Amino acid sequence: SQTIHQWPATLVQPVGSPLSLECTVEGTSNPNLYWYRQAAGRGLQLLFYSVGIGQISSEVPQNLSASRPQDRQFILSSKKLLLSDSGFYLCAWSVPDRPFNEQFFGPGTRLTVL
Amino acid sequence: AQSVTQLGSHVSVSEGALVLLRCNYSSSVPPYLFWYVQYPNQGLQLLLKYTSAATLVKGINGFEAEFKKSETSFHLTKPSAHMSDAAEYFCAVSEGDTGRRALTFGSGTRLQVQP
Repeated sequence: SQTIHQWPATLVQPVGSPLSLECTVEGTSNPNLYWYRQAAGRGLQLLFYSVGIGQISSEVPQNLSASRPQDRQFILSSKKLLLSDSGFYLCAWSVPDRPFNEQFFGPGTRLTVL
Repeated sequence: AQSVTQLGSHVSVSEGALVLLRCNYSSSVPPYLFWYVQYPNQGLQLLLKYTSAATLVKGINGFEAEFKKSETSFHLTKPSAHMSDAAEYFCAVSEGDTGRRALTFGSGTRLQVQP
């Protein structure tokens, strides 16, 4: 069966510090991968998605970036965090080439920028 | 472009009462629709999905949803609420057969179940 992991589970960082969040998927090959952010009391905002190694599409211009160094690894980064980067970050995967594209979510990372 | 509107950011019901969470969508192509549930500080779990087969879709935990094309709706229901149903619920629409293959989510409805 497939599983998706995210770490760390929680993170408290000062403004201006770097960020690295990691997501890995097990039990599947060549998944589509996604990063979402969920701000307090708001819905999910798609940040990045990837359909293959090294292929990253950005949805929202911001100080965040994403990378996919391996087939089942997806990393969210920032060089300098802003207060507005606080939120709950969710990684998700889906089976490629399936039109209805249901997504499966990881447990999330709670990021607080102080 | 597609969008999802969830009417009511907060819904409160009594234990044993009917649960009705509303979702309306807008899509330029035949939609695929989903309901997800999120418990505090957890990821999203798929409740059910509509993929152009039966219009009445049954999901986990006794939930079901009906796709109504004429009303562009996909409301989520459960005949009898349980305390464990207290959570946030998200409706989502898929772009279907496009390269992006992303989901567009509604803003969520927080369900509170009163004893």
